[in-house]
Amino acid sequence: NAGVTQTPKFQVLKTGQSMTLQCAQDMNHEYMSWYRQDPGMGLRLIHYSVGAGITDQGEVPNGYNVSRSTTEDFPLRLLSAAPSQTSVYFCASTSGYRENYGYTFGSGTRLTVV
Amino acid sequence: AQSVTQLGSHVSVSEGALVLLRCNYSSSVPPYLFWYVQYPNQGLQLLLKYTSAATLVKGINGFEAEFKKSETSFHLTKPSAHMSDAAEYFCAVSLPSGGSYIPTFGRGTSLIVHP
Repeated sequence: NAGVTQTPKFQVLKTGQSMTLQCAQDMNHEYMSWYRQDPGMGLRLIHYSVGAGITDQGEVPNGYNVSRSTTEDFPLRLLSAAPSQTSVYFCASTSGYRENYGYTFGSGTRLTVV
Repeated sequence: AQSVTQLGSHVSVSEGALVLLRCNYSSSVPPYLFWYVQYPNQGLQLLLKYTSAATLVKGINGFEAEFKKSETSFHLTKPSAHMSDAAEYFCAVSLPSGGSYIPTFGRGTSLIVHP
């Protein structure tokens, strides 16, 4: 089925470790973004991309890196994991960055940093 | 800049009762507005969106929302709650012109449905 695929679904990291959260979409969407969801905080934007080779920071970018080498993939890298990065991470995409299409979300990655 | 406020972090209703989830927005230009639903351990799913063509918007699963410019509101309603409606609901706003297209999400309202 077409959509946004996130891997892994669950991950436990030790403080200081690095890892990459994968996100792939097969809908040829130009816009992709990463959010983190914390209890009572809603969704906060980490990084986003409006097309291959173009990325920008969101509301909470510190400690995270992204790249967009292809239209389909938008990985999120944690450089040196900290307990404050324990969260649920969602990748989302839309075909119309400037239109009213709404967003398609992945099923999330639940990350625990110990 | 835009912002969105969802009144009430939890709303509890009985099965068959009216569902009303409140959302107020702030924006300098006419906004795009969205409601998303998140079932346990899943991602967000688009419920409905305001396109500026009609103020009353119908979505999936019997939900609808009405855009009221004078009240800067976009409340979500459903005439009769079902147990399967229990979920987290998020209101979101983005600005189609003169501002950021990136949506800003509210903090969410958890809908609890009692039998």
